[in-house]
Amino acid sequence: ETGVTQTPRHLVMGMTNKKSLKCEQHLGHNAMYWYKQSAKKPLELMFVYNFKEQTENNSVPSRFSPECPNSSHLFLHLHTLQPEDSALYLCASSLGLAGGLKETQYFGPGTRLLVL
Amino acid sequence: AQKITQTQPGMFVQEKEAVTLDCTYDTSDPSYGLFWYKQPSSGEMIFLIYQGSYDQQNATEGRYSLNFQKARKSANLVISASQLGDSAMYFCAMRETIGGSEKLVFGKGTKLTVNP
Repeated sequence: ETGVTQTPRHLVMGMTNKKSLKCEQHLGHNAMYWYKQSAKKPLELMFVYNFKEQTENNSVPSRFSPECPNSSHLFLHLHTLQPEDSALYLCASSLGLAGGLKETQYFGPGTRLLVL
Repeated sequence: AQKITQTQPGMFVQEKEAVTLDCTYDTSDPSYGLFWYKQPSSGEMIFLIYQGSYDQQNATEGRYSLNFQKARKSANLVISASQLGDSAMYFCAMRETIGGSEKLVFGKGTKLTVNP
């Protein structure tokens, strides 16, 4: 059983839709991350939360809106997306600052998003 | 400039043989961590192995070992006795400090195919 779960696993949406991706971690971690993985591109960090506070926004367009109500849950709210936003969206968690140099991020299975 | 370089887009290996996946990195930070992840077609990123910049010994985890050559800034992954289930994308990543925050930077990955 994976320690990080993501729902839905697959999502098809139109450009005018509003949807949300959900991530939950059962590892007792303090930091959570959203990544975007497009075809033939390296994994791109989008957002970082430490103890529910956003500590990183990697120049992500405002049509992506993250929410972290507690250390175990992370959401990514989507609205008026573009076809180029189609990608695999991966959530990860880690101990955060307490992990030190060896701090390891553990990933969920991802949500495959297709924007039509 | 690319921080993590994986020069092999694809690799093929016969079942039960060993294979080396290349990774070179670029950093001026004396303290850093290197990670390898496996991504099967299902999408989940699975943590495999970690090497710290100050570690004297090469990291090993079961059939995975890391050939760490600090002076050459390389951290190649060696998989011994390949199995069909090893077929996947493999990503090398480095933890570094950017603007006061810790980030994990990924390479573009190598697709490994294990042939029966």
